[in-house]
Amino acid sequence: KQEVTQIPAALSVPEGENLVLNCSFTDSAIYNLQWFRQDPGKGLTSLLLIQSSQREQTSGRLNASLDKSSGRSTLYIAASQPGDSATYLCAVGSYQKVTFGIGTKLQVIP
Amino acid sequence: SAVISQKPSRDICQRGTSLTIQCQVDSQVTMMFWYRQQPGQSLTLIATANQGSEATYESGFVIDKFPISRPNLTFSTLTVSNMSPEDSSIYLCSVPRDRNTGELFFGEGSRLTVL
Repeated sequence: KQEVTQIPAALSVPEGENLVLNCSFTDSAIYNLQWFRQDPGKGLTSLLLIQSSQREQTSGRLNASLDKSSGRSTLYIAASQPGDSATYLCAVGSYQKVTFGIGTKLQVIP
Repeated sequence: SAVISQKPSRDICQRGTSLTIQCQVDSQVTMMFWYRQQPGQSLTLIATANQGSEATYESGFVIDKFPISRPNLTFSTLTVSNMSPEDSSIYLCSVPRDRNTGELFFGEGSRLTVL
């Protein structure tokens, strides 16, 4: 059974700082890994998708990496802004189902 | 990217009542997924809504409690029946953007509070 863990559970940083969010998974037989952003009480916004054959994906200030052999992914956010404050979820897709982490709650302080 | 509209965005309900959540997608999709996110928890798949056939429910979820309709390829409803405070959650509709990549898109969610 796939298990997804996100560390840290919460993170508070000053504006402008670069930061890294971590996601680990127990079963390396994955199809893809997707990072989402969730604002309080809202749905999920897709940020980046990494296919199992890929090592990283970039979009603007965001960079996601994937290391299947070690069961890890990181989401790097450059030059953080107060508008980045949200919960970031990692979702690991296997061929049968998608397993979500609980998320990392990020607060960027102006 | 797919545009997914969910209604209602939030509601406060009384114990014992039922509420139907609607999900409308701007393009035809084969599968639509319904998730539940309880406070402080990760997302849990309730069921997969298939057009023209019964929904496929995950372990721990039953049709009597969460009846689902899928009348066409762009619309689905999820009903939360005989609600109790434990049903207070965000309910989310999701569709795969691309069958090859498996990328998921989500609606804005429906936040239900049961008193």
